Amino acid sequence: NAGVTQTPKFQVLKTGQSMTLQCAQDMNHEYMSWYRQDPGMGLRLIHYSVGAGITDQGEVPNGYNVSRSTTEDFPLRLLSAAPSQTSVYFCASSPDRAYGGYTFGSGTRLTVV
Amino acid sequence: GIQVEQSPPDLILQEGANSTLRCNFSDSVNNLQWFHQNPWGQLINLFYIPSGTKQNGRLSATTVATERYSLLYISSSQTTDSGVYFCAVSSNTGNQFYFGTGTSLTVIP
Repeated sequence: NAGVTQTPKFQVLKTGQSMTLQCAQDMNHEYMSWYRQDPGMGLRLIHYSVGAGITDQGEVPNGYNVSRSTTEDFPLRLLSAAPSQTSVYFCASSPDRAYGGYTFGSGTRLTVV
Repeated sequence: GIQVEQSPPDLILQEGANSTLRCNFSDSVNNLQWFHQNPWGQLINLFYIPSGTKQNGRLSATTVATERYSLLYISSSQTTDSGVYFCAVSSNTGNQFYFGTGTSLTVIP
């Protein structure tokens, strides 16, 4: 089992560019989510999905889109990158929302210049 | 959303010392987890503990759901315990998971 795989690990974007952060899990987990981590602010939920075809917004969804066409994959799209989106992004999965056993990916460090 | 407060924000320990980290939350929860983020940034799930007490080696956790707090105990600390410890909760009615701002622990030899 690879667990939760995030790519890329590092990325530098220019303001206005778009990109997709990839997240894949091989544990057949229904619940997947994206967080951003900024200094002194813990982790904040961007978007989440409770199963294939179902997504919803978290605390800080503006500027990001997601889709969940398969159980395994949950990509995060930045539509038009802004310096305020400079952060470390984590993808996580669990068997379902109410169950423990959250597994995190290793993170993507994104810098927008 | 649910407010999650962790204390202390920073902690420095001598190797071998014990410590208690606290997590207070503002509403009823049905899911509470503790995580450790190591100095390389990896987040590891330590405990799923919406109520009661659990132990795993030198670590244990207790959640008193009726009083809206959880405690993480680290005994005989080691330098490998260094990092940031996060508490995260979700409510009975929501799908969102809320994190505290963490306790940064440094264990010195």
